[in-house]
Amino acid sequence: GDSVTQMEGPVTLSEEAFLTINCTYTATGYPSLFWYVQYPGEGLQLLLKATKADDKGSNKGFEATYRKETTSFHLEKGSVQVSDSAVYFCALRSTGNQFYFGTGTSLTVIP
Amino acid sequence: NAGVTQTPKFQVLKTGQSMTLQCAQDMNHNSMYWYRQDPGMGLRLIYYSASEGTTDKGEVPNGYNVSRLNKREFSLRLESAAPSQTSVYFCASSEGFWDRGLQGYTFGSGTRLTVV
Repeated sequence: GDSVTQMEGPVTLSEEAFLTINCTYTATGYPSLFWYVQYPGEGLQLLLKATKADDKGSNKGFEATYRKETTSFHLEKGSVQVSDSAVYFCALRSTGNQFYFGTGTSLTVIP
Repeated sequence: NAGVTQTPKFQVLKTGQSMTLQCAQDMNHNSMYWYRQDPGMGLRLIYYSASEGTTDKGEVPNGYNVSRLNKREFSLRLESAAPSQTSVYFCASSEGFWDRGLQGYTFGSGTRLTVV
Protein backbone atom coordinates (compact mmCIF):
# COMPACT_ATOMS: atom_id res chain seq x y z
CA GLY A 1 0.00 0.00 0.00
CA ASP A 2 0.84 3.67 -0.10
CA SER A 3 3.15 5.01 2.58
CA VAL A 4 5.55 7.74 3.54
CA THR A 5 8.94 7.30 5.20
CA GLN A 6 10.81 10.23 6.69
CA MET A 7 14.11 10.46 8.45
CA GLU A 8 14.31 9.74 12.13
CA GLY A 9 14.96 12.60 14.46
CA PRO A 10 15.57 14.47 16.49
CA VAL A 11 17.64 16.91 14.48
CA THR A 12 19.60 19.66 16.23
CA LEU A 13 21.16 22.47 14.21
CA SER A 14 22.83 25.77 14.93
CA GLU A 15 21.16 28.93 13.71
CA GLU A 16 21.91 29.68 10.02
CA ALA A 17 22.79 26.06 9.26
CA PHE A 18 21.42 24.25 6.20
CA LEU A 19 18.49 21.91 6.80
CA THR A 20 17.51 18.76 4.95
CA ILE A 21 14.78 16.42 6.14
CA ASN A 22 14.44 13.38 3.93
CA CYS A 23 11.10 12.00 2.82
CA THR A 24 10.46 9.13 0.45
CA TYR A 25 7.16 7.65 -0.58
CA THR A 26 5.57 4.55 -2.01
CA ALA A 27 2.44 5.05 -4.07
CA THR A 28 0.62 3.92 -7.15
CA GLY A 29 -0.30 6.51 -9.71
CA TYR A 30 0.44 10.17 -9.13
CA PRO A 31 0.03 11.27 -5.52
CA SER A 32 0.17 14.80 -4.16
CA LEU A 33 2.86 15.48 -1.57
CA PHE A 34 2.85 17.79 1.43
CA TRP A 35 4.96 19.05 4.29
CA TYR A 36 3.20 20.02 7.50
CA VAL A 37 4.78 21.76 10.49
CA GLN A 38 3.70 21.46 14.12
CA TYR A 39 4.93 24.16 16.50
CA PRO A 40 4.93 23.37 20.23
CA GLY A 41 1.42 23.24 21.66
CA GLU A 42 -0.23 23.76 18.30
CA GLY A 43 -1.86 21.70 15.58
CA LEU A 44 -0.29 20.87 12.26
CA GLN A 45 -0.10 23.60 9.64
CA LEU A 46 0.37 23.13 5.94
CA LEU A 47 3.87 24.33 5.05
CA LEU A 48 4.07 23.53 1.34
CA LYS A 49 2.79 21.13 -1.26
CA ALA A 50 3.41 19.78 -4.76
CA THR A 51 0.82 18.07 -6.88
CA LYS A 52 2.82 16.68 -9.80
CA ALA A 53 6.28 15.48 -10.67
CA ASP A 54 9.03 18.15 -10.84
CA ASP A 55 6.85 20.69 -9.03
CA LYS A 56 8.64 22.65 -6.32
CA GLY A 57 6.69 23.72 -3.28
CA SER A 58 8.03 26.65 -1.29
CA ASN A 59 7.03 28.73 1.72
CA LYS A 60 8.83 30.70 4.46
CA GLY A 61 12.23 29.85 2.96
CA PHE A 62 11.50 26.12 2.89
CA GLU A 63 11.50 24.19 -0.37
CA ALA A 64 10.76 20.66 -1.53
CA THR A 65 10.81 19.20 -5.04
CA TYR A 66 8.58 16.31 -6.14
CA ARG A 67 11.02 13.77 -7.59
CA LYS A 68 9.20 10.89 -9.21
CA GLU A 69 12.39 9.15 -10.35
CA THR A 70 13.62 8.84 -6.77
CA THR A 71 10.14 8.88 -5.14
CA SER A 72 11.30 11.65 -2.84
CA PHE A 73 10.12 15.00 -1.47
CA HIS A 74 12.97 16.21 0.73
CA LEU A 75 12.48 19.39 2.74
CA GLU A 76 15.27 21.97 2.63
CA LYS A 77 16.03 25.38 4.03
CA GLY A 78 19.22 27.29 3.44
CA SER A 79 19.48 29.06 6.80
CA VAL A 80 17.38 27.93 9.75
CA GLN A 81 16.27 30.17 12.60
CA VAL A 82 15.40 29.41 16.20
CA SER A 83 11.77 30.02 15.28
CA ASP A 84 11.89 27.03 12.90
CA SER A 85 12.11 24.65 15.86
CA ALA A 86 9.13 22.34 15.40
CA VAL A 87 8.10 18.88 14.28
CA TYR A 88 7.88 18.41 10.51
CA PHE A 89 5.60 15.84 8.87
CA CYS A 90 5.76 14.62 5.33
CA ALA A 91 2.40 13.51 3.92
CA LEU A 92 0.99 11.95 0.79
CA ARG A 93 -2.47 12.15 -0.73
CA SER A 94 -3.00 9.07 -2.83
CA THR A 95 -4.91 8.89 -6.07
CA GLY A 96 -7.64 7.23 -4.00
CA ASN A 97 -7.85 10.41 -1.87
CA GLN A 98 -6.36 8.80 1.23
CA PHE A 99 -3.86 10.76 3.31
CA TYR A 100 -0.75 9.12 4.76
CA PHE A 101 1.47 10.94 7.23
CA GLY A 102 5.07 10.21 8.10
CA THR A 103 6.15 9.77 11.72
CA GLY A 104 7.44 13.32 12.07
CA THR A 105 10.94 14.74 12.50
CA SER A 106 11.68 16.99 15.44
CA LEU A 107 13.94 19.94 14.69
CA THR A 108 15.63 22.05 17.35
CA VAL A 109 17.60 25.10 16.30
CA ILE A 110 20.01 26.51 18.86
CA PRO A 111 21.29 30.09 18.83
CA ASN B 1 -9.30 33.76 15.09
CA ALA B 2 -10.88 31.49 12.52
CA GLY B 3 -9.93 27.87 12.77
CA VAL B 4 -10.55 24.57 14.50
CA THR B 5 -11.20 24.55 18.25
CA GLN B 6 -10.83 21.42 20.36
CA THR B 7 -11.80 20.86 23.97
CA PRO B 8 -10.48 19.82 26.38
CA LYS B 9 -6.74 20.32 25.87
CA PHE B 10 -5.76 17.77 28.49
CA GLN B 11 -7.63 14.88 30.10
CA VAL B 12 -6.79 11.98 32.38
CA LEU B 13 -9.22 9.06 32.49
CA LYS B 14 -9.36 5.84 34.41
CA THR B 15 -9.71 2.61 32.45
CA GLY B 16 -13.37 2.02 31.65
CA GLN B 17 -14.46 5.64 31.91
CA SER B 18 -16.13 7.38 29.02
CA MET B 19 -15.66 10.84 27.59
CA THR B 20 -16.37 12.97 24.54
CA LEU B 21 -13.84 15.14 22.75
CA GLN B 22 -15.38 18.20 21.16
CA CYS B 23 -14.37 19.87 17.93
CA ALA B 24 -15.79 22.92 16.18
CA GLN B 25 -14.71 24.80 13.05
CA ASP B 26 -15.83 28.21 11.90
CA MET B 27 -14.55 28.15 8.32
CA ASN B 28 -17.72 26.69 6.79
CA HIS B 29 -15.77 23.56 5.83
CA ASN B 30 -17.73 20.57 4.64
CA SER B 31 -15.40 17.81 5.83
CA MET B 32 -14.06 17.01 9.29
CA TYR B 33 -11.70 14.38 10.65
CA TRP B 34 -10.34 12.86 13.84
CA TYR B 35 -6.71 11.70 13.96
CA ARG B 36 -4.59 10.26 16.72
CA GLN B 37 -0.87 10.91 16.98
CA ASP B 38 1.38 8.36 18.65
CA PRO B 39 5.18 8.36 18.93
CA GLY B 40 6.79 6.63 15.96
CA MET B 41 3.41 6.13 14.28
CA GLY B 42 2.62 9.41 12.62
CA LEU B 43 -1.01 10.46 12.39
CA ARG B 44 -3.67 7.83 11.91
CA LEU B 45 -7.22 8.53 10.83
CA ILE B 46 -9.89 7.37 13.28
CA TYR B 47 -13.12 8.61 11.66
CA TYR B 48 -14.11 11.23 9.19
CA SER B 49 -17.19 13.05 8.01
CA ALA B 50 -17.02 13.96 4.35
CA SER B 51 -20.12 16.14 4.66
CA GLU B 52 -22.79 17.01 7.20
CA GLY B 53 -24.89 13.96 7.91
CA THR B 54 -22.26 11.37 6.97
CA THR B 55 -19.54 9.61 8.93
CA ASP B 56 -17.11 6.88 7.93
CA LYS B 57 -14.45 4.75 9.55
CA GLY B 58 -10.82 5.50 9.04
CA GLU B 59 -7.75 3.40 9.70
CA VAL B 60 -8.20 2.83 13.46
CA PRO B 61 -11.90 3.18 14.43
CA ASN B 62 -12.17 0.46 17.08
CA GLY B 63 -13.13 1.77 20.51
CA TYR B 64 -14.44 5.09 19.18
CA ASN B 65 -17.68 6.60 17.98
CA VAL B 66 -18.34 9.94 16.33
CA SER B 67 -21.20 12.35 15.79
CA ARG B 68 -21.42 15.08 13.20
CA LEU B 69 -23.73 17.29 15.19
CA ASN B 70 -24.03 19.95 12.49
CA LYS B 71 -21.79 21.46 9.87
CA ARG B 72 -19.55 23.08 12.50
CA GLU B 73 -19.20 20.34 15.11
CA PHE B 74 -17.73 16.84 15.05
CA SER B 75 -17.32 14.96 18.34
CA LEU B 76 -15.33 11.85 19.19
CA ARG B 77 -16.53 9.54 21.97
CA LEU B 78 -14.64 6.92 23.91
CA GLU B 79 -17.24 4.65 25.48
CA SER B 80 -14.87 2.62 27.67
CA ALA B 81 -11.37 4.05 27.72
CA ALA B 82 -8.36 1.74 27.57
CA PRO B 83 -4.66 2.50 28.17
CA SER B 84 -4.04 1.83 24.45
CA GLN B 85 -6.08 4.95 23.74
CA THR B 86 -3.52 7.17 25.46
CA SER B 87 -2.58 9.53 22.66
CA VAL B 88 -2.82 13.04 21.30
CA TYR B 89 -6.04 13.53 19.35
CA PHE B 90 -6.33 16.05 16.55
CA CYS B 91 -9.45 17.26 14.89
CA ALA B 92 -9.10 18.66 11.37
CA SER B 93 -11.30 20.10 8.69
CA SER B 94 -11.11 20.73 4.97
CA GLU B 95 -13.24 22.66 2.55
CA GLY B 96 -14.15 19.53 0.65
CA PHE B 97 -13.32 15.88 0.91
CA TRP B 98 -12.20 15.37 -2.66
CA ASP B 99 -10.22 18.58 -2.97
CA ARG B 100 -7.99 18.09 0.06
CA GLY B 101 -5.06 17.83 -2.27
CA LEU B 102 -5.47 21.48 -3.15
CA GLN B 103 -6.01 23.06 0.24
CA GLY B 104 -4.92 20.41 2.68
CA TYR B 105 -6.23 20.33 6.20
CA THR B 106 -6.71 22.84 9.00
CA PHE B 107 -5.89 21.23 12.32
CA GLY B 108 -6.91 21.98 15.88
CA SER B 109 -4.28 22.24 18.61
CA GLY B 110 -4.96 18.78 19.98
CA THR B 111 -6.22 16.98 23.07
CA ARG B 112 -3.65 15.10 25.12
CA LEU B 113 -5.44 12.11 26.65
CA THR B 114 -3.96 9.76 29.23
CA VAL B 115 -5.78 6.62 30.28
CA VAL B 116 -4.51 5.04 33.50
